[in-house]
Amino acid sequence: DIQMTQSPSSLSASVGDRVTITCQASQDINNFLNWYQQKPGKAPKLLIYDASTLETGVPVRFSGSGSGTDFSLTISSLQPEDIATYFCQQYDDLPLTFGGGTKVEIK
Amino acid sequence: EVQLVQSAAEVKKPGESLKISCEASGYTFTTYWIDWVRQMPGKGLEWVGVIFPGDSDTRYSPSFQGQVTISADTSLNTAYLQWSSLKASDTAIYYCARGFWPGASQTPFHYWGQGTLISVSS
Repeated sequence: DIQMTQSPSSLSASVGDRVTITCQASQDINNFLNWYQQKPGKAPKLLIYDASTLETGVPVRFSGSGSGTDFSLTISSLQPEDIATYFCQQYDDLPLTFGGGTKVEIK
Repeated sequence: EVQLVQSAAEVKKPGESLKISCEASGYTFTTYWIDWVRQMPGKGLEWVGVIFPGDSDTRYSPSFQGQVTISADTSLNTAYLQWSSLKASDTAIYYCARGFWPGASQTPFHYWGQGTLISVSS
């Protein structure tokens, strides 16, 4: 199985801060990397797919980058509505696997 | 509009059987794979498995192989996840999800059901 290591597990930042979450795969996943946002009591929502493609309707303050085994999700200016848990996921190979999640809070 | 509507929450006892559902609408059910994802209380996301309703081709995570059964009924546009004998450790929210691209078993999850909470306790 491909292991996905996400960090940090939680972070606290101020409104307007730039926030970066990283995700490392245990092997090259050919950029088949997605980022999801999950708010409490809700299903996850796709933000970015194929490492850097913004899903339709997602604010442009969200961006993804990386290749091979190392990827990151950046929120350029944190907003109160971005409070959520973020998960990375690889879909290069079965079983599909997720990172452990990063809980983002407002300082 | 694509929608995945899941069955209601369930409270069960260990050893009981259960089948939960995911009813799809707004697209041709037989042309997209449907996945199941588990989220244990306060934990992350785990992929359970996937089914292609067009021919019932099914793949399971090794962690769930033999523990659950995924099926689909094309006459009802519904996918199912079932257990023959529940354990307390099956307590979780289970989501169904559909990907972007028709016919592709591995795609980003573009659409999600609302989740079904399963509580297993004696």
